[in-house]
Amino acid sequence: DQQVKQNSPSLSVQEGRISILNCDYTNSMFDYFLWYKKYPAEGPTFLISISSIKDKNEDGRFTVFLNKSAKHLSLHIVPSQPGDSAVYFCAASALSNYQLIWGAGTKLIIKP
Amino acid sequence: ETGVTQSPTHLIKTRGQQVTLRCSSQSGHNTVSWYQQALGQGPQFIFQYYREEENGRGNFPPRFSGLQFPNYSSELNVNALELDDSALYLCASSPPGGDGTGELFFGEGSRLTVL
Repeated sequence: DQQVKQNSPSLSVQEGRISILNCDYTNSMFDYFLWYKKYPAEGPTFLISISSIKDKNEDGRFTVFLNKSAKHLSLHIVPSQPGDSAVYFCAASALSNYQLIWGAGTKLIIKP
Repeated sequence: ETGVTQSPTHLIKTRGQQVTLRCSSQSGHNTVSWYQQALGQGPQFIFQYYREEENGRGNFPPRFSGLQFPNYSSELNVNALELDDSALYLCASSPPGGDGTGELFFGEGSRLTVL
């Protein structure tokens, strides 16, 4: 039972263009959604989060959009840079719980 | 500020053996969580420790056990290793009270291979 799904294993984007990474979830009890970025041989690093009561959160080049009715969120990176090449994980948490539920990740490749 | 550190970074064991993985939490963080990440998958929650007590557990058998020490460092022990235990084991810490979002600070992981 996958509560958080990232259906695109990989995504290739031209440098300078917009990267859009998608995530779907099934559990309406989640309170927060988080995006993590992971480089090879490193642990995941936090990128940006959004509360379930909001529909948008922006931090520099990164914006996360939440569509609760569709149980869908997306991460937009504008403009995409070579250093953005990494695996991006979508994760969800509930305040009543203590664990993060993770998607399988999307490998983002930024082409020069 | 010292981040989360894990040891060893890589190790190879054979089926049936036991393994201990270690984690030092980030300075000031009193909660430690362990996750297992199999190849091509997202991390799966194993358990969390707070004030030296297990504070929640995922769907892992009892042969996965842990400890937290007074300095907030932690160990993950796995007994009777199986081939499917081959994975990256991630330790994450979070500060007292957290911020409610679930943001965790991860170490680089320990890559376990079971032959």
